[in-house]
Amino acid sequence: DQQVKQNSPSLSVQEGRISILNCDYTNSMFDYFLWYKKYPAEGPTFLISISSIKDKNEDGRFTVFLNKSAKHLSLHIVPSQPGDSAVYFCAASSYRGKLQFGAGTQVVVTP
Amino acid sequence: GAGVSQTPSNKVTEKGKYVELRCDPISGHTALYWYRQSLGQGPEFLIYFQGTGAADDSGLPNDRFFAVRPEGSVSTLKIQRTERGDSAVYLCASSLDRSYNSPLHFGNGTRLTVT
Repeated sequence: DQQVKQNSPSLSVQEGRISILNCDYTNSMFDYFLWYKKYPAEGPTFLISISSIKDKNEDGRFTVFLNKSAKHLSLHIVPSQPGDSAVYFCAASSYRGKLQFGAGTQVVVTP
Repeated sequence: GAGVSQTPSNKVTEKGKYVELRCDPISGHTALYWYRQSLGQGPEFLIYFQGTGAADDSGLPNDRFFAVRPEGSVSTLKIQRTERGDSAVYLCASSLDRSYNSPLHFGNGTRLTVT
């Protein structure tokens, strides 16, 4: 039962442009959402999070948007840089529950 | 500072053998998690420790899988009678506690291959 879904397995974006990654969830009990970034042969690295009481959280070039009514969140990266090329995982949890991950989106930033 | 350390980084074993995977969390982190990642998928929850006790082991696929954390620091994931379907990257993560501003910090994983 996949409760967190990332429907785009890959995304190619030009350096300097905006990257938009999407994530949908089905469990209405989820109230904490995170994005992780993963390079090959490394573990996922925490990027940014948002709780359900907010609809936007910003950290430098990264902004996460949450639409609770649509059960949808997105990650915006502006401007995209070559070092942003990685796999991005969306994750969600309910209060004190286990963190559940989507399947990931491979981002490739081209010069 | 030192991050989450997992050993070995790679393990190849024959079907039916027993394996142990070790995780050394960040010092002072009370919460420890094991996840498993198969090719093309996101990490899948296995078990969570708060201190020495397993607070949630609902993700362990069957009784061949077992994990311990006897002193509340290092943890070992044990897999008996390995099967080819157990082949995956096993990720360990730790966090300061269970609060929302305490994200998981992952190790680089152990790639397990069962032949």
